[in-house]
Amino acid sequence: DVKVTQSSRYLVKRTGEKVFLECVQDMDHENMFWYRQDPGLGLRLIYFSYDVKMKEKGDIPEGYSVSREKKERFSLILESASTNQTSMYLCASRKITEAFFGQGTRLTVV
Amino acid sequence: QKEVEQDPGPLSVPEGAIVSLNCTYSNSAFQYFMWYRQYSRKGPELLMYTYSSGNKEDGRFTAQVDKSSKYISLFIRDSQPSDSATYLCAMADSGGSNYKLTFGKGTLLTVNP
Repeated sequence: DVKVTQSSRYLVKRTGEKVFLECVQDMDHENMFWYRQDPGLGLRLIYFSYDVKMKEKGDIPEGYSVSREKKERFSLILESASTNQTSMYLCASRKITEAFFGQGTRLTVV
Repeated sequence: QKEVEQDPGPLSVPEGAIVSLNCTYSNSAFQYFMWYRQYSRKGPELLMYTYSSGNKEDGRFTAQVDKSSKYISLFIRDSQPSDSATYLCAMADSGGSNYKLTFGKGTLLTVNP
């Protein structure tokens, strides 16, 4: 079975902190994604990566950056956390077509 | 017009009912179609995957794609309380490196014992 693992299930951070969300997949997938999910807005793509050190902006990249130094690991960085970044963050990976998700990180910024 | 439209529900049915969940879309280039199930506070779990038009069956679940109408459906037979979750449709136009999934906003389903 494909496994996509996110480093934290729940996280509470203060406004202005730099926040790292880590995601690891174990199936040698080329493509990895970061989404955020908010009530009424659904899933929105923040960034994706189709190869090591390659990244593309999604629909809402402002306030975020990403890092992909190794194929299995894709990190989402909140440069200076703000309260409007309180959300559920979901990492996904895919090889051909179907995408597989991690369990999600519920981030609260206070 | 939004690319993918999905009725948010909520949908409440008795145990054993047949459930029909639907999405419409506007982008005729979409050719990969998926259904995800998401339990509360968990990540989405892939349920069904279909390429292009037609039907696909897996146990109690059937996915249908009608590309001429730009309409996809997920049917759940003999629904169980454990099917209570949010169901998300997703679609993509390409399997290449610029692949992006476009999601519906999800339908909340409750199956009552």
